[in-house]
Amino acid sequence: DQQVKQNSPSLSVQEGRISILNCDYTNSMFDYFLWYKKYPAEGPTFLISISSIKDKNEDGRFTVFLNKSAKHLSLHIVPSQPGDSAVYFCAASAMAGNQFYFGTGTSLTVIP
Amino acid sequence: GAGVSQTPSNKVTEKGKYVELRCDPISGHTALYWYRQSLGQGPEFLIYFQGTGAADDSGLPNDRFFAVRPEGSVSTLKIQRTERGDSAMYLCASSLKSGSGIDTQYFGPGTRLTVL
Repeated sequence: DQQVKQNSPSLSVQEGRISILNCDYTNSMFDYFLWYKKYPAEGPTFLISISSIKDKNEDGRFTVFLNKSAKHLSLHIVPSQPGDSAVYFCAASAMAGNQFYFGTGTSLTVIP
Repeated sequence: GAGVSQTPSNKVTEKGKYVELRCDPISGHTALYWYRQSLGQGPEFLIYFQGTGAADDSGLPNDRFFAVRPEGSVSTLKIQRTERGDSAMYLCASSLKSGSGIDTQYFGPGTRLTVL
């Protein structure tokens, strides 16, 4: 049973525009969320995180929004750059736990 | 500083053979995780070590899978009697596990296992 879902397997965006990647979760115990970025032949790289006490966290061009009532989070990248082209995974955990649950990933292509 | 390293980067074996996959975590990280990622899927949790002990091995699919971390640093994932369904990318991650509750995991590049 997939507890973290990324329903869009791929997304294409023009350079300079905003990229919005979405993620839904089902477990109400999750209280810590992360986004990872993965290039081919490399392991996932941590991008940004948010805890459930916040609804927004910003780091440069990357902003993560959390809507706890909807069990939904999103990653906004603005402006998008060709180097952002990668697979993005969202992950969730309960802080008291040890497991991180990952979504299936969204492949982002930023077109120059 | 050095990140998480994994060896080998690729491993091809025959059905029924035994394989070992190695992970070198970031120095000073007490927590170590193994994940398996099949094609088109996200990483799936296998096992978590805090120090030398396996604190959570609930993700191991069956008793053919075993992992050790004898000195609290390097870890080895061992798979006995490999099956074609074991073919996947095996990822290792480490974290500080400082007890603050915020625990970012840093991943290695993975070992691609192919069972023929």
